Amino acid sequence: AQSVTQLDSQVPVFEEAPVELRCNYSSSVSVYLFWYVQYPNQGLQLLLKYLSGSTLVKGINGFEAEFNKSQTSFHLRKPSVHISDTTEYFCAVKGTGGFKTIFGAGTRLFVKA
Amino acid sequence: NAGVTQTPKFQVLKTGQSMTLQCAQDMNHNSMYWYRQDPGMGLRLIYYSASEGTTDKGEVPNGYNVSRLNKREFSLRLESAAPSQTSVYFCASSEGGTPQPQHFGDGTRLSIL
Repeated sequence: AQSVTQLDSQVPVFEEAPVELRCNYSSSVSVYLFWYVQYPNQGLQLLLKYLSGSTLVKGINGFEAEFNKSQTSFHLRKPSVHISDTTEYFCAVKGTGGFKTIFGAGTRLFVKA
Repeated sequence: NAGVTQTPKFQVLKTGQSMTLQCAQDMNHNSMYWYRQDPGMGLRLIYYSASEGTTDKGEVPNGYNVSRLNKREFSLRLESAAPSQTSVYFCASSEGGTPQPQHFGDGTRLSIL
């Protein structure tokens, strides 16, 4: 079985500053890792995914994440945030060959002018 | 380019009433999922269907039933609605058993009085 912990429920940051949203996971098997974004009144949309290979993955809208196997983490980063990045972000894990994806509780990013 | 379509988008029920939430996908995905989203709790899996003809319980199945009508459609039924089932319900689809991420509908906002 897998589990996901998003370490911050809310992250306030000033516009054009860098941001990191933290995600830790646990699993007894190899995993695929995902970050999703959810805009108001919409479903979740994929930001980026780690399947294998390079531990640094790049996604849409300038976001990137780094897979750290030893620390079982998959933190999301953006070098310079915009007001439009204000919304909720979800980390998720899926066991290789599995059918179920486990989602974290979400982190609300609030970008201030 | 519809993706995953959920109906209705909003619904208000009285305690004890029944209703069915509909979901259809046009991506030829084998696996479909129903989640509920409550504040601060992320997405919790209610039921899933790994492939046409199969359904399995998720994390919070009590009070719900599902039907995988065909490869495209997966419905969720509340037989006797309770206030605790007030939530936002999301349907998703994917190629289960592979690294591919899930695709989500825009949700059904359900209030039970």
